[in-house]
Amino acid sequence: KQEVTQIPAALSVPEGENLVLNCSFTDSAIYNLQWFRQDPGKGLTSLLLIQSSQREQTSGRLNASLDKSSGRSTLYIAASQPGDSATYLCALGGNDMRFGAGTRLTVKP
Amino acid sequence: NAGVTQTPKFRVLKTGQSMTLLCAQDMNHEYMYWYRQDPGMGLRLIHYSVGEGTTAKGEVPDGYNVSRLKKQNFLLGLESAAPSQTSVYFCASSYTDRLQETQYFGPGTRLLVL
Repeated sequence: KQEVTQIPAALSVPEGENLVLNCSFTDSAIYNLQWFRQDPGKGLTSLLLIQSSQREQTSGRLNASLDKSSGRSTLYIAASQPGDSATYLCALGGNDMRFGAGTRLTVKP
Repeated sequence: NAGVTQTPKFRVLKTGQSMTLLCAQDMNHEYMYWYRQDPGMGLRLIHYSVGEGTTAKGEVPDGYNVSRLKKQNFLLGLESAAPSQTSVYFCASSYTDRLQETQYFGPGTRLLVL
């Protein structure tokens, strides 16, 4: 059974800092990996989807990487802003889909 | 487009009561899903549907039933609510299998069972 871990559970940074969120998984037999954003009291919004044959995807200030051999993905956020404050979840698509518990990010002005 | 909507937004139930959560999507998606989200845990799939008139069990189906009578609607029922069903419930939809492409999520229903 796929296990997905996101560490740390919470992260606080000052505005303008570049940061990396981590997602680790135990089973490398996946179709894809997705990163989602969840604002308090809201649903999930897809940020980036990386197919298993890809190594990374970029959207604006966000860059997600995938390393199946090491069972890791990272979400890089450049020049963080207070509006980036949210919970970020990764999800692995394989025989089934497994979500991490998320990292709650706070960007302080 | 409203996307994915959920009704109600919040509900309090007593143990043993029943209720139905409604999910509606206006994107003509074939696939629809019900998840629950609990503190410190990732989303877990309860039931899903690959098309009108079809449903299937997910990871944590016990205590729930679903129906997909119309393509745009996916209902989640709790026949006899238990405190363990206190959670936030999310509905999602996608054109094809969620394992192949992204899903679109509703805003969630917060359920408290006393």
